Amino acid sequence: SQTIHQWPATLVQPVGSPLSLECTVEGTSNPNLYWYRQAAGRGLQLLFYSVGIGQISSEVPQNLSASRPQDRQFILSSKKLLLSDSGFYLCAWSRIIQETQYFGPGTRLLVL
Amino acid sequence: AQSVTQLGSHVSVSEGALVLLRCNYSSSVPPYLFWYVQYPNQGLQLLLKYTSAATLVKGINGFEAEFKKSETSFHLTKPSAHMSDAAEYFCAVNRMNTGFQKLVFGTGTRLLVSP
Repeated sequence: SQTIHQWPATLVQPVGSPLSLECTVEGTSNPNLYWYRQAAGRGLQLLFYSVGIGQISSEVPQNLSASRPQDRQFILSSKKLLLSDSGFYLCAWSRIIQETQYFGPGTRLLVL
Repeated sequence: AQSVTQLGSHVSVSEGALVLLRCNYSSSVPPYLFWYVQYPNQGLQLLLKYTSAATLVKGINGFEAEFKKSETSFHLTKPSAHMSDAAEYFCAVNRMNTGFQKLVFGTGTRLLVSP
């Protein structure tokens, strides 16, 4: 069966510090991968998606970037965090050409 | 462009009462529709999905949803609420983009269940 991991589970960072959140998927190959952000009281906003190694598409302009160095690894980064980067970050995966997405446990980020 | 609207950011029911969470969609093509549930501080879990087969879709934990094209709706129901159903529920519709499918989520409905 497939599993998706995210770490860390929670993170408190000062404004201006760098960020690296990691997501890995097990039990499948060549998945589509996604990063979402969920701000308090709001829905899910798709930030990035990837259809393969090194292939990243951004949905919205922002202070964040994503990378996919390996088939089942997806990383969300920032060089300098802003207060507005606080939120709950969710990674998800889906099979190629399949519409159902499966979500990881999430990382709660608080920028102070 | 595909989108979903969830009516009511909060819904309160008593344990044992009917649960009805509303979702209306907008789509220029036959949609795939989803309901996800999120428990506090957790990721999203798929409850059920509609992919143009049967219009009444049964999901996990006793939930079901009915696709009504004439009403552009995909409301989520459960005959009898349990305390464990308290969570946030998200409706989503797929969005095609040059052959790659993405999901567009509603803003969510928080279900509160009282004893």
